[in-house]
Amino acid sequence: AQTVTQSQPEMSVQEAETVTLSCTYDTSESDYYLFWYKQPPSRQMILVIRQEAYKQQNATENRFSVNFQKAAKSFSLKISDSQLGDAAMYFCVLWGTASKLTFGTGTRLQVTL
Amino acid sequence: DVKVTQSSRYLVKRTGEKVFLECVQDMDHENMFWYRQDPGLGLRLIYFSYDVKMKEKGDIPEGYSVSREKKERFSLILESASTNQTSMYLCASNTLAYEQYFGPGTRLTVT
Repeated sequence: AQTVTQSQPEMSVQEAETVTLSCTYDTSESDYYLFWYKQPPSRQMILVIRQEAYKQQNATENRFSVNFQKAAKSFSLKISDSQLGDAAMYFCVLWGTASKLTFGTGTRLQVTL
Repeated sequence: DVKVTQSSRYLVKRTGEKVFLECVQDMDHENMFWYRQDPGLGLRLIYFSYDVKMKEKGDIPEGYSVSREKKERFSLILESASTNQTSMYLCASNTLAYEQYFGPGTRLTVT
């Protein structure tokens, strides 16, 4: 079985600052994908960033980047220059066996002025 | 843009009723999924489908069934709704590229 753990139920960051959301996972697979999804209040879930396990280079999408530590099974998300629109629930997701996604419990990010 | 739509944003049903939640995607995706989302539990997979008329149980299939008669449509059925099925239900679809596209969700209340 695969598991995903997000130990921070809530985080807060000031506008323009940087915040890091933590995620650890466990899987017996050697080939898998990791994702961060964002769910704004009352809006649809959208993909933020994706990391292939076989790639050593950390993925980056504009202000969003990850720190992927395969040996430690850690996959954190860094948001730089935080904006009010970044306020959302963030889910760490593992795609592994049987093509099923396993979601973490989510981290609610607040962005303050 | 990929579009995944769900038949209702809000739904209120009585205990024991049969409930249908519909999901339609317009990008010819092979795979479709039904999740329920509860506070503190994240998203949990109920059922998924790789092709028309195919279905696979997810992590919490009890009390639910699904139907996929056409590629673009994936229905979730609650045969006899119960109060513990009050939740947000999310549909998603994807291809082998792994990124899932989600619908807006249906908030179901069973009274």
